[in-house]
Amino acid sequence: SYEVTQPLSVSVALGQAARIPCGGNNIGSKVVQWYQQKPGQAPVLVIYNDNNRPSGIPERFSGSNSGNTATLSISRAQVGDEADYYCQVWDLSETVTFGGGTKLTVL
Amino acid sequence: QVQLQESGPGLVRPSQTLSLTCSVSGGSIISGSHYWTWIRQHPGKGLEWLGFIFYSGSTYDNPSLKSRLTISIDTPENQFSLKLTSVTAADTAVYYCARVPFDYLGNGVHYYYMDVWGKGTTVTVSS
Repeated sequence: SYEVTQPLSVSVALGQAARIPCGGNNIGSKVVQWYQQKPGQAPVLVIYNDNNRPSGIPERFSGSNSGNTATLSISRAQVGDEADYYCQVWDLSETVTFGGGTKLTVL
Repeated sequence: QVQLQESGPGLVRPSQTLSLTCSVSGGSIISGSHYWTWIRQHPGKGLEWLGFIFYSGSTYDNPSLKSRLTISIDTPENQFSLKLTSVTAADTAVYYCARVPFDYLGNGVHYYYMDVWGKGTTVTVSS
């Protein structure tokens, strides 16, 4: 089955840009989604189809996907952006794969 | 807007069957544009996809659970369900249901994503 890898944690200074990578073999040929999950809450979709934002998601959130890495970028990071972030793909084996999740800390 | 709500017992005995239902409100479960899914999250861990179901009853399942998992749909009641047999402590988790839009980009590239989630229900497997 297809595997995607994420760093356990990423830190960013308040107001700076955060980048969270999601690695996978030729992940650029797949479509990547990103979810934000705050403690005790259900995940929330923040990016779908590599770089599309659902309504209600701030423009500060963006995505890119090329080669072996997809990236979630958060500009002007805020304390309210602290959360776990998961990437997700649909694999040719007809399964959904989630990354292990990255904890974003805003310093 | 569409809302999803999980329901079911919070405690299941080992070797028994875990049964959960997801009730859909604010929209019809009969949709040509959406699958419906179950996802779980073990305590302190990441997300694990369990399976999808379409209103027609067709399913995609996680191969690691396929022999124990059944996902079904009840269109008149606007709900879908999960049954997981022979549970152990390893099945202790928060279980989420979600709506799944999908699209096809050509060249064999499909994608599925979860755009509306229930709040989740905690299931503990213990004697």
